[in-house]
Formats: sequence, C-alpha cells, structure tokens
Amino acid sequence: AQSVTQLDSQVPVFEEAPVELRCNYSSSVSVYLFWYVQYPNQGLQLLLKYLSGSTLVESINGFEAEFNKSQTSFHLRKPSVHISDTAEYFCAVSEAHNQGGKLIFGQGTELSVKP
Amino acid sequence: NAGVMQNPRHLVRRRGQEARLRCSPMKGHSHVYWYRQLPEEGLKFMVYLQKENIIDESGMPKERFSAEFPKEGPSILRIQQVVRGDSAAYFCASSKESGPAYGYTFGSGTRLTVV
Repeated sequence: AQSVTQLDSQVPVFEEAPVELRCNYSSSVSVYLFWYVQYPNQGLQLLLKYLSGSTLVESINGFEAEFNKSQTSFHLRKPSVHISDTAEYFCAVSEAHNQGGKLIFGQGTELSVKP
Repeated sequence: NAGVMQNPRHLVRRRGQEARLRCSPMKGHSHVYWYRQLPEEGLKFMVYLQKENIIDESGMPKERFSAEFPKEGPSILRIQQVVRGDSAAYFCASSKESGPAYGYTFGSGTRLTVV
C-alpha cells in the first residue's frame, strides 16, 4: 500500500519569494508521482507528473518537482511566486504499471501568497 | 469540448434522505473515478468504473453507497439514508485510458451538505 505525507498544511509566503512544498511518500512498489492544484470551489488540475526518465519535471507556469527515490520525496518548488499561485496543492501517488491505478493523495498544502 | 461535468454543484439533504450525484465524463473517456474530500483532508478514492462495470470499489463504504456507469448516460454516485458525516465534496474524474498516468480530468465537484 502507498501513503503520502505533505509536511506543511499551510505555507504563507510573500509575492516574488521562492517556495517549496514538501511531499514524502511510502511504497513497496514503483510509483508514479503527481502534483495537483485546487483553486477555491474548483476541481483539481494536474500541475505536473513524474512517470519515468528525468527526475526533474516542470510545469508550464514555473513550478518544478524533483523525484528523489532514496529520500522518497517529490517536493514542489517555484523560484518566484505570484498572488495567483494562491491555492491548495496536493501531492499524489499511484502504483506504476497498474491498470486502473487509483491516486493516493496527501492531506494538501495551502499556499497563501501575500503582496 | 466540455470537460468533466458534475451536477449538482451544491446539494443539501436532510438526514435520512437519498443523494444522487451525477458525473458526465469528457467525450471519448470511458473510465470514471469517484473521490471524496472531507473537510481539511485530501481526496480519498472511492470507486473506479468503466462502462457498465465496477472495476475497483475498495474505497466505497460497505453500506448506503453505490455507484454505476451505465451504457448510456452519466455515472451516478448514490448515497442512501445520508448522515451528517457524509457531508463532503465529491469529485469525479475521467480518463481515456486506464490509470492516472494517462491523465485524469477532474470535474468541479458536488458539495453535499447534510442537515
């Protein structure tokens, strides 16, 4: 079975500052890793995913995450945040190569960007 | 091309009533997943369906909850005799192929309030 821990429930940060949202996972098998973003009263949107290959993955809006197998982590980073990045961020895993693999989500990190 | 459509967006039910939540997947998507988000928690997998088949219902409560995805029409999540603890946001996701690696698309959710 897999599990996901997001170490920070809330992260307040000032605009244009760097941010890191931490995610650790536990699994006895290979996994796929995901970050989703949820804006208020909306569904989840995929931000980025790691399936295989390069351990550093990037999104189109400046976020990046690095898969670290030895530390079982998949932290999300952005060098300079904007007010519009204020949202809840969810880290998730699924069992690799598993047809119909469900997503296991962390508890979420609320990112609050202040001017 | 409309996204995943969920309705209603908000649903209020009295204890003991039935709640029916609908999910129309994206065009061309034949895989549907239901997740529940309790207050202050991440999303929890409930059930995975393909047309006319339940593939994985390991996250469904044993009683009062059922799901279907008929050959024609939307997927339905049905909760009988609702209780206050059923109050949550229920999200549906669909995909073209099996598994989140191929890209889930989430709906905006149905927020169920039991009074």
